[in-house]
Amino acid sequence: QVQLVESGGGVVQPGTSLRLSCAASGFTFRTYGMHWVRQFPGKGLEWVAFIWSDGQNKYYGDSVKGRFTISRDNSKSILYLQMNSLRAEDTAVYYCGGDPPRSGYAFAVWGQGTMVTVSS
Amino acid sequence: QSVLTQPPSASGTPGQRVTISCSGSISNIGRETVNWYHQLPGTAPKLLVYNTNQRPSGVPDRFSGSKSGTSASLAISGLQSEDEADYYCAAWDDSLQAVLFGGGTKLTVL
Repeated sequence: QVQLVESGGGVVQPGTSLRLSCAASGFTFRTYGMHWVRQFPGKGLEWVAFIWSDGQNKYYGDSVKGRFTISRDNSKSILYLQMNSLRAEDTAVYYCGGDPPRSGYAFAVWGQGTMVTVSS
Repeated sequence: QSVLTQPPSASGTPGQRVTISCSGSISNIGRETVNWYHQLPGTAPKLLVYNTNQRPSGVPDRFSGSKSGTSASLAISGLQSEDEADYYCAAWDDSLQAVLFGGGTKLTVL
């Protein structure tokens, strides 16, 4: 079935790095725009980053610009989020989302989320 | 980054029709399509409406979306207890080159 599975979350200290992965199955990954979205504990959703289906263009939210990098490997159907210089305020559940063609940036597929905790 | 504006809460009784609003600006809702999600506690969000008024396969026609100018709405008719959840609107902002989310509306079925 259509599925996204995130991994790589954990507890890290401020200033360190972490790489999240999102493995896709059940759909044509290479045709989907892919996003990372996060949710702070007990709060709403915040969009983090977006990468085109072919990986040629990338966009970032202001709060992560310059620290996070989104990438993808269409041969393996995997999406990544490299997070550097992590801060306490990056603590959140991170979801990957799949955006099908002509859907108006709609996240039709979501992963189950992976928790990132930044704490000393 | 600025967010789209939603009421923090909404409520209704079973069978009623409720509407959740989402206010933005010309660069997002005004020029782009709107998507709606709902989220049950402890679970990932689920897409309810895309391209302002389209429903994914499997979403009941009790859910409908619309927009006028820089505001959008999600209407839920025939309210059911299982509709109790958090609802979020979202849209691409072509000036910020970013996806914006609303702050979320907690729907309570009385």
